[in-house]
Amino acid sequence: AQSVSQHNHHVILSEAASLELGCNYSYGGTVNLFWYVQYPGQHLQLLLKYFSGDPLVKGIKGFEAEFIKSKFSFNLRKPSVQWSDTAEYFCAVNYGGATNKLIFGTGTLLAVQP
Amino acid sequence: EPEVTQTPSHQVTQMGQEVILRCVPISNHLYFYWYRQILGQKVEFLVSFYNNEISEKSEIFDDQFSVERPDGSNFTLKIRSTKLEDSAMYFCASRGQGRNTEAFFGQGTRLTVV
Repeated sequence: AQSVSQHNHHVILSEAASLELGCNYSYGGTVNLFWYVQYPGQHLQLLLKYFSGDPLVKGIKGFEAEFIKSKFSFNLRKPSVQWSDTAEYFCAVNYGGATNKLIFGTGTLLAVQP
Repeated sequence: EPEVTQTPSHQVTQMGQEVILRCVPISNHLYFYWYRQILGQKVEFLVSFYNNEISEKSEIFDDQFSVERPDGSNFTLKIRSTKLEDSAMYFCASRGQGRNTEAFFGQGTRLTVV
């Protein structure tokens, strides 16, 4: 079955700490990968996406993610977090098919302490 | 920047009542989706809609649910005879043509069934 796992459900960091959030997905075919962020009270916003090409993708606000096909992973990273990064982060995968729907991970709630 | 808009932002309804959640997708998009997120759980796919018909639906999307694009701009989700367990955040999303495109999400409608 198609599934997406995010191993960190709740992460607490101090400002300037480095961040890495794990995301693994099932199935080994061609996938499109996404990280979305949801700030408190706001809608899901796209942080970054991978369709093909360079497996290291850079997104908005200093975030990046690396697609490692052999590990079925797409981990999100940021070298130095800020208080404003406090939000919930969702990994999502498009496995293709007729509708290109997204399968989401359970989300990681990040709290950055000033 | 074009965006997906949803109304209302919060709806409270009594069990057994019908609700209609409204969405205005991005104007040149062709694929439309509804997802939901029960509090504390992952974002789940409900239904996709393309070319004026449902292209895929999940197990959650039973006869209680229906979708419609009544006037070429709005995209609605109707929930008949609401149950307590329908309480969730409902997200509308739209996407352009082609697999290598991302979905844009609305800000969500929080439905509370009492």
